[in-house]
Amino acid sequence: GDSVTQMEGPVTLSEEAFLTINCTYTATGYPSLFWYVQYPGEGLQLLLKATKADDKGSNKGFEATYRKETTSFHLEKGSVQVSDSAVYFCALRENTGNQFYFGTGTSLTVIP
Amino acid sequence: DAGITQSPRHKVTETGTPVTLRCHQTENHRYMYWYRQDPGHGLRLIHYSYGVKDTDKGEVSDGYSVSRSKTEDFLLTLESATSSQTSVYFCAINVGGNTGELFFGEGSRLTVL
Repeated sequence: GDSVTQMEGPVTLSEEAFLTINCTYTATGYPSLFWYVQYPGEGLQLLLKATKADDKGSNKGFEATYRKETTSFHLEKGSVQVSDSAVYFCALRENTGNQFYFGTGTSLTVIP
Repeated sequence: DAGITQSPRHKVTETGTPVTLRCHQTENHRYMYWYRQDPGHGLRLIHYSYGVKDTDKGEVSDGYSVSRSKTEDFLLTLESATSSQTSVYFCAINVGGNTGELFFGEGSRLTVL
């Protein structure tokens, strides 16, 4: 079945460092891919998405490219800020229905 | 913007008691979902609904039931709560069509003693 694997955390970075959080998926067909962010005590918010191969999603300085050949959707940001400290979830939506599958989440802490 | 209200936001109960969590949406989105979030497991689907009185099981449905008698309300019931059901529960709605994303509520933290 469909699934998402993302890198284990926690990740701790200094402010202005480069961020990569790896995400790979297993799916039949052509799923849509998402990154969600969860700040402490809150629900998940959509950060960015890509709906077909080679699409790049971007928002708030974060980017991820839908790579079908490597079944990946890695999240990147060139210069993180303290306010980026949160848990990040990679997710996919199967293309034949309305099921969503989530990774286990990666906790990011950015220190000044 | 889509709006979701979950209630209660926090609840402490004892083993063996029934618990119902409510999810209310302000729009008429067809698909609604209940997830639980636990450390090391991410989000796991409990049940989802694709219309009034139309529901289906997710990967961790044992011990849970749901009902949807109106488009805007999706109820999650624990018939007899157990300590393993201590978790944070999130309701979500599917917005934006075939490639649309989930929009989440703020969560309900349940503690079963």
